[in-house]
Amino acid sequence: DAGVTQSPTHLIKTRGQHVTLRCSPISGHKSVSWYQQVLGQGPQFIFQYYEKEERGRGNFPDRFSARQFPNYSSELNVNALLLGDSALYLCASSLHAIKNEQFFGPGTRLTVL
Amino acid sequence: DQQVKQNSPSLSVQEGRISILNCDYTNSMFDYFLWYKKYPAEGPTFLISISSIKDKNEDGRFTVFLNKSAKHLSLHIVPSQPGDSAVYFCAASATYSGAGSYQLTFGKGTKLSVIP
Repeated sequence: DAGVTQSPTHLIKTRGQHVTLRCSPISGHKSVSWYQQVLGQGPQFIFQYYEKEERGRGNFPDRFSARQFPNYSSELNVNALLLGDSALYLCASSLHAIKNEQFFGPGTRLTVL
Repeated sequence: DQQVKQNSPSLSVQEGRISILNCDYTNSMFDYFLWYKKYPAEGPTFLISISSIKDKNEDGRFTVFLNKSAKHLSLHIVPSQPGDSAVYFCAASATYSGAGSYQLTFGKGTKLSVIP
């Protein structure tokens, strides 16, 4: 079975630009969460979606948005990129919205110049 | 304010010996704890979890211990193998925090090196 997939693998953008990151969950998983991991830190929660509805939002500015599609795949959008947005963006899927192990994809490495 | 703390950035252990990775938390609402392993250029891989109603959970070479009164958990790997060399993250969740949200709060990680 395929695991969580993310695209693209790497991305280089300049300040002020917009970026869209994509995630496909494990087949049958209905919940997708997004995390940001900067160097030397653990992943930090950005969003959780379940059944196309936002279930949770971390402490990130409104420049960050996301959505989940009917096939449970998800997009993370970041507007007006800042240098500090450079990080590894991880997508995780789980069967349900609560108390399930989350399975992570390989991540998208975003570099903002 | 770091709610999940892994105070040891790194740990070196001889192959065949026990590896003990520690994690402390401050949020009393956390009731579900997980350990993830991460290799470079890969996403975190789920290892083992424990609910707050238990104090121990085993899965093969991996055992997680939870001490709720001390707000402390540990991961034991016995015996340690060179392939276990990776960064280990402790994560916690407050599953009844409301609205059915299940966000994980991670520590900064501990880099384990198993020396052959």
